[in-house]
Amino acid sequence: GAGVSQSPSNKVTEKGKDVELRCDPISGHTALYWYRQSLGQGLEFLIYFQGNSAPDKSGLPSDRFSAERTGGSVSTLTIQRTQQEDSAVYLCASSSLTSTDTQYFGPGTRLTVL
Amino acid sequence: GESVGLHLPTLSVQEGDNSIINCAYSNSASDYFIWYKQESGKGPQFIIDIRSNMDKRQGQRVTVLLNKTVKHLSLQIAATQPGDSAVYFCAERRYNKLIFGAGTRLAVHP
Repeated sequence: GAGVSQSPSNKVTEKGKDVELRCDPISGHTALYWYRQSLGQGLEFLIYFQGNSAPDKSGLPSDRFSAERTGGSVSTLTIQRTQQEDSAVYLCASSSLTSTDTQYFGPGTRLTVL
Repeated sequence: GESVGLHLPTLSVQEGDNSIINCAYSNSASDYFIWYKQESGKGPQFIIDIRSNMDKRQGQRVTVLLNKTVKHLSLQIAATQPGDSAVYFCAERRYNKLIFGAGTRLAVHP
């Protein structure tokens, strides 16, 4: 596809369960970012991948959150033992090597923890 | 889908008027700024950007102004249309991270 895609679009889970959120960046983009957007809030940076470099995990809120990027393309954000405060929209963005500034966002995954 | 930013400040304008959305940023070392538009149920969409060595940049119907002295950024939308209704975020770049503001909801009335 032409843009960033994310799946699922919506995820409802029970407190304590693990969830995996997927991001497919724009083909050829080397940088990938995950953000969290809570209702009525701006975007909160979570993690950043650039090429083969070690990811910048400084935004992850707890050790229940982790992310990986396989083959320099698809990324998965995993939340273990979900809590109600994890409910939010999780957004993925990518940018190209030659334009690391402009980030293009996917539609997001809305996570609801009951 | 559910709207984002239900409790955000709102700017209400009449269709055809010009809109000005303001943003204050926090770090004088930030060298790059972006405005994003987010419609309900969608991810943020890039509108326009500006580097810190500029004070004005124009796009199609949009202009971004940067005042580094007071750390202020504004987005001007000319001849606002109903399709411009959305939440608008400014963002500043620091060390390859975008730091987003809280957002402003723009409501365009016919």
